[in-house]
Amino acid sequence: HLQLQESGPGLVKPSETLTLTCIVSGDSITSGDYYWGWLRQPPGKGLEWIGSIFYTGNTFYTTSLKGRVTISVDTSKNQFSLNLNSVTAADTAVYYCARQPGDYGSASHCDHWGQGTLVTVSS
Amino acid sequence: SYVLTQPPSVSVAPGQTAKITCGGDNIGSKSVHWYQQKPGQAPVLVVYDDRDRPSGIPERFSGSNSGNTATLTISRVEAGDEADYYCQVWESSSDHQVFGGGTKLTVL
Repeated sequence: HLQLQESGPGLVKPSETLTLTCIVSGDSITSGDYYWGWLRQPPGKGLEWIGSIFYTGNTFYTTSLKGRVTISVDTSKNQFSLNLNSVTAADTAVYYCARQPGDYGSASHCDHWGQGTLVTVSS
Repeated sequence: SYVLTQPPSVSVAPGQTAKITCGGDNIGSKSVHWYQQKPGQAPVLVVYDDRDRPSGIPERFSGSNSGNTATLTISRVEAGDEADYYCQVWESSSDHQVFGGGTKLTVL
């Protein structure tokens, strides 16, 4: 039974770095059939894709956050992480991790999601 | 960048059929996926690859995709179907996952 669990601080100060980890259980992150992604949802707004990573390290990032975002994978711990630097209040959102069917060249949809974690950017 | 357009809201009486549209340039050439999100919960995939259903999703949920419009159809709507629904594609020219703005389904 696949489970994804986000972990990290719920409060980050402006200009600092937001770091979240997604712990995957019930499936190997090195499966060649999936990307692993981060998404977010500001309060009262829609879903926004942040980026995705393949276990080999191949990554895709949204253009709107490029330069501030890094996604990495730790295959030994079966987890992947999000770093978003220079945060502002506009980065306040519920952050989700998700599994995305795909191959090395592209991801597709999100077939399993974590429960989400609210991150507030405030001093 | 590729844009997906959804109506902000759709209302339907219980037992009737709800149709939620997702517009995009030549969206019929892409695979469209649909999510249901209830308040305070993570999204749930209800249709993928235009018309396939994950295990556990009722047959009342179906999808179609042609031309410039994809449609999620919910038959015999129940009160428990009240939620926000999002369409999504993978835009291969930019390697981006793109979401529509979401549609709030209200069951009258």
